[in-house]
Amino acid sequence: DVKVTQSSRYLVKRTGEKVFLECVQDMDHENMFWYRQDPGLGLRLIYFSYDVKMKEKGDIPEGYSVSREKKERFSLILESASTNQTSMYLCASSLQAGDTQYFGPGTRLTVL
Amino acid sequence: GQNIDQPTEMTATEGAIVQINCTYQTSGFNGLFWYQQHAGEAPTFLSYNVLDGLEEKGRFSSFLSRSKGYSYLLLKELQMKDSASYLCAVTDPTDSWGKLQFGAGTQVVVTP
Repeated sequence: DVKVTQSSRYLVKRTGEKVFLECVQDMDHENMFWYRQDPGLGLRLIYFSYDVKMKEKGDIPEGYSVSREKKERFSLILESASTNQTSMYLCASSLQAGDTQYFGPGTRLTVL
Repeated sequence: GQNIDQPTEMTATEGAIVQINCTYQTSGFNGLFWYQQHAGEAPTFLSYNVLDGLEEKGRFSSFLSRSKGYSYLLLKELQMKDSASYLCAVTDPTDSWGKLQFGAGTQVVVTP
């Protein structure tokens, strides 16, 4: 079974803090994704990566950056957290482009 | 781009059948996914349709009409544990990265 894990289930940070969200997958998948999920808006893609050290912007990359130094790990970074970044953050991975995406359990981030 | 529409909420009683519709307007189309998401948990893969027609998987079936830009997920013999959000997502072949575009999700409430 594919397993995607995220470093925290719940996180509370203060405005202006730097925040790191970690995601690890154990199935040697090429592609990894970061989404945020807000009520009524569905899942929105922040960034994705199709290979180590490669990244592409999604639909809402502003205020975020990512890092993929190893194939199994994809990190989402909030350089200076703001209250409008309070959300559920979901990581996903897929073997190839267009394949089924498998999701981690999510991190509920609250920025005060 | 993609425009994906699904109803916000549906309510049905235990043992009944519910049909969740999803319509999409896309610049291209490769396939359509359905995911199930219980409250506070990650989305989990249910089905993937590429060709027209009905695909059955136990109590769940998914239908696709490419010419009409329409899909539905049919849930039969509803159980309380089927209370969840159901997400429709499409892939676009004009997108070289094979990204998924998600609808906002349909919240299904199963009552005793």
